[in-house]
Amino acid sequence: SYVLTQPPSVSVAPGKTARITCGGNNIGSKSVHWYQQKPGQAPVLVIYYDSDRPSGIPERFSGSNSGNTATLTISRVEAGDEADYYCQVWDSSSDPWVFGGGTKLTVL
Amino acid sequence: EVQLVESGGGLVQPGRSLRLSCTASGFTFGDYAMSWVRQAPGKGLEWVGFIRSKAYGGTTEYAASVKGRFTISRDDSKSIAYLQMNSLKTEDTAVYYCTRIVATMFDYWGQGTLVTVSS
Repeated sequence: SYVLTQPPSVSVAPGKTARITCGGNNIGSKSVHWYQQKPGQAPVLVIYYDSDRPSGIPERFSGSNSGNTATLTISRVEAGDEADYYCQVWDSSSDPWVFGGGTKLTVL
Repeated sequence: EVQLVESGGGLVQPGRSLRLSCTASGFTFGDYAMSWVRQAPGKGLEWVGFIRSKAYGGTTEYAASVKGRFTISRDDSKSIAYLQMNSLKTEDTAVYYCTRIVATMFDYWGQGTLVTVSS
């Protein structure tokens, strides 16, 4: 089955830019979606189809996808962005909906 | 406003059964595929299974880890999706989320319901 690899943790100072990667074999050929999960809360879709933002998601959140890596970029990071972030793709394999292991974003 | 509300979680012994419900509102439930995603304590997200809309046959698909033990169904007249869980194992302990599917993404999530499998 298809595997998505994320770094367990990323740390960034307030006001700086955070980049969270999601690695997968030829992931650039797939559509990548990103979810934010704050402690004790359900996940929220923050980026879909690689780089689109749902209504209500700040423009500070952006995404890209090419080759073997997709990236979620959060500009001008705020304390409220501290959360776990998961990438997700659909793959025509045994378990079609695949999540990355998640990345804990810490705002220093 | 789209809302998904799960219910039915609780403590259950290994080998027993439990049925979860997901009550939807704020959209035409019958037009959408629905899915269940779970999260074990301190772990990541795991897709459990989904059910297509009636327009696409209302058929189901399951993760290998639950296939043959879990069954998803839907009642479009009541806007409810169900997750019937049989032969529960300790490793099924998790928060179970109901999600709405749009294309290849989960665009709305419920707040989750905790299932604890323990003797």
